[in-house]
Amino acid sequence: KQEVTQIPAALSVPEGENLVLNCSFTDSAIYNLQWFRQDPGKGLTSLLLIQSSQREQTSGRLNASLDKSSGRSTLYIAASQPGDSATYLCAVGTGGFKTIFGAGTRLFVKA
Amino acid sequence: GAVVSQHPSWVICKSGTSVKIECRSLDFQATTMFWYRQFPKQSLMLMATSNEGSKATYEQGVEKDKFLINHASLTLSTLTVTSAHPEDSSFYICSAKWDRDTEAFFGQGTRLTVV
Repeated sequence: KQEVTQIPAALSVPEGENLVLNCSFTDSAIYNLQWFRQDPGKGLTSLLLIQSSQREQTSGRLNASLDKSSGRSTLYIAASQPGDSATYLCAVGTGGFKTIFGAGTRLFVKA
Repeated sequence: GAVVSQHPSWVICKSGTSVKIECRSLDFQATTMFWYRQFPKQSLMLMATSNEGSKATYEQGVEKDKFLINHASLTLSTLTVTSAHPEDSSFYICSAKWDRDTEAFFGQGTRLTVV
């Protein structure tokens, strides 16, 4: 059974810092991996999608990497801003079409 | 990206009544749709997977008679919470894919409050 773990569970940083969020998964047989952002009480915003054959994806200040063999992904946020404060969720696409989520990292960026 | 529309965005119902939530893929045919549940400050837990024209597959611990899922067409899936109770209050989110290795697109979510 696929399990997705995110570390740290919560993170508080001053504005301007670069930071890394970690995601690990137990079964390397994944089809893709997505990073989402969720604001309190809101739905999901898709940030980046990495296919199993890819190593990384970039969008603006965000960079996500994928090491399928070791079961790890990282989300790098450059020059963090208070508006980046949210919960970041990692989700893996598995066999059978399922998408399995990690518990998330709650990020707070202080002005 | 593709759009998945979920309705209603919030609903309040009395204990013992049933509530239906709709999930529509607006610009693509969704072979498979998924229903998730999220309790406050927790992650999304997969409840069930539905394929068009067939019975839904429920995850362990999810009561299929309480959470009725219908996927009548390639663009519409519904989740009915039957005989709702306060403990069913939660945030429900649907997602859809058109293929195994494609991106999962999510609806906006429905906040259900049972009073």
